[in-house]
Amino acid sequence: EVQLVESGGGLVQPGGSLRLSCAASGFSFSNYWMSWVRQVPGKGLEWVANIKEDGSEKYYVDSVKGRFTISRDNAKNSLYLQMNSLRAEDTAVYYCARDAQFLQHWGQGILVTVSS
Amino acid sequence: DIQMTQSPSSVSAFVGDRVTITCRASQGTNNWLAWYQQKPGKAPKLLIYLASTLQDGVPSRFSGSGSGTDFTLTISSLQPEDFATYHCQQANIFPLTFGGGTKVEIK
Repeated sequence: EVQLVESGGGLVQPGGSLRLSCAASGFSFSNYWMSWVRQVPGKGLEWVANIKEDGSEKYYVDSVKGRFTISRDNAKNSLYLQMNSLRAEDTAVYYCARDAQFLQHWGQGILVTVSS
Repeated sequence: DIQMTQSPSSVSAFVGDRVTITCRASQGTNNWLAWYQQKPGKAPKLLIYLASTLQDGVPSRFSGSGSGTDFTLTISSLQPEDFATYHCQQANIFPLTFGGGTKVEIK
């Protein structure tokens, strides 16, 4: 069974940093693109970033370029999202998801709150 | 970026009703279009991809159609477990973009 479990969320002040992790199991992690998607509570979904199987290609939504970095460690079956210079508008539930385009499997989500 | 517009934003229906949700893209998507179902407090679930291909395990009462810029999700006979929010998403060009969602509520 495919499982994706996010961790690392919480409350952070504006301008601060946070690193999200996503532990993957139940599939061959190194064979799949991985993605991050976020959702402001009560609002729609916003794709944030994705990364190729070997980490050689990465794509970001414009609003996080230069502030967020997606990475992965295939030896640890783990996906990461380093979030710097956080803003109030980054407050959302962050999901990791498997695949690049059609997101077949999702984690349960982790809440990130940016507030003073 | 491709903008995705869903309508309606919400719909009230009875169990057994046929429900149709539409999604319009600001430019062609080459049918790289997906539909997701999301229940409160849960992650989205992929229902349909490539506009009309049903994901494994999804009931056949769900169907997708359309091409180019206009797409439709149809639930042929609404069941109690189908009350949820539905999102369309284009996968043709990065950044991936989603519609605003359609909430299907009990009438």
